Amino acid sequence: DTGVSQDPRHKITKRGQNVTFRCDPISEHNRLYWYRQTLGQGPEFLTYFQNEAQLEKSRLLSDRFSAERPKGSFSTLEIQRTEQGDSAMYLCASKTSGRINNEQFFGPGTRLTVL
Amino acid sequence: AQSVTQLDSQVPVFEEAPVELRCNYSSSVSVYLFWYVQYPNQGLQLLLKYLSGSTLVESINGFEAEFNKSQTSFHLRKPSVHISDTAEYFCAVISNFGNEKLTFGTGTRLTIIP
Repeated sequence: DTGVSQDPRHKITKRGQNVTFRCDPISEHNRLYWYRQTLGQGPEFLTYFQNEAQLEKSRLLSDRFSAERPKGSFSTLEIQRTEQGDSAMYLCASKTSGRINNEQFFGPGTRLTVL
Repeated sequence: AQSVTQLDSQVPVFEEAPVELRCNYSSSVSVYLFWYVQYPNQGLQLLLKYLSGSTLVESINGFEAEFNKSQTSFHLRKPSVHISDTAEYFCAVISNFGNEKLTFGTGTRLTIIP
């Protein structure tokens, strides 16, 4: 068990560019979550997957955001035409399904800075 | 929908002194409660959780939290803090009706003064 990993750890981009982040969950976890954390705030839910199916999306996830988990393993989060307001820490978490009280294990996050 | 309030954004405490980090929640349904800790430059780690049973839950590093349903609170306490406890602490809830997402408070930054 190597934990949840995220890549890259840091990303600096110019406004209007597209960015893509990757999350590798713990191997036996079939649920994967994305959260966004802005300065001075707690993490906010964006979306989650059970295997390859995207089951819920927050209203925070505008049309410029898309997430995939093509084979039920790793996931990608893409932001198109980035805006300065997209600057945040993007967190990924995973857990097993079936028991709502199971712990969500978090990755170290990807810090996005949009100039 | 659920919400979590952490009124104290920063708490400075002298080393070996006691500390309490406050957390209040609002929900129309029953919830599970969590405290997560984020050490500098690290990801979130689960500190402790309340699911059912005893309202007092403890962590392995000396923290405890008590679920108070009437006051809708889940305050975190430690009788004697150490430098290594310096971190940001987040209170969070999950509805036990199948809604999987964690709803977090805004966090409390605990700073230990030597």
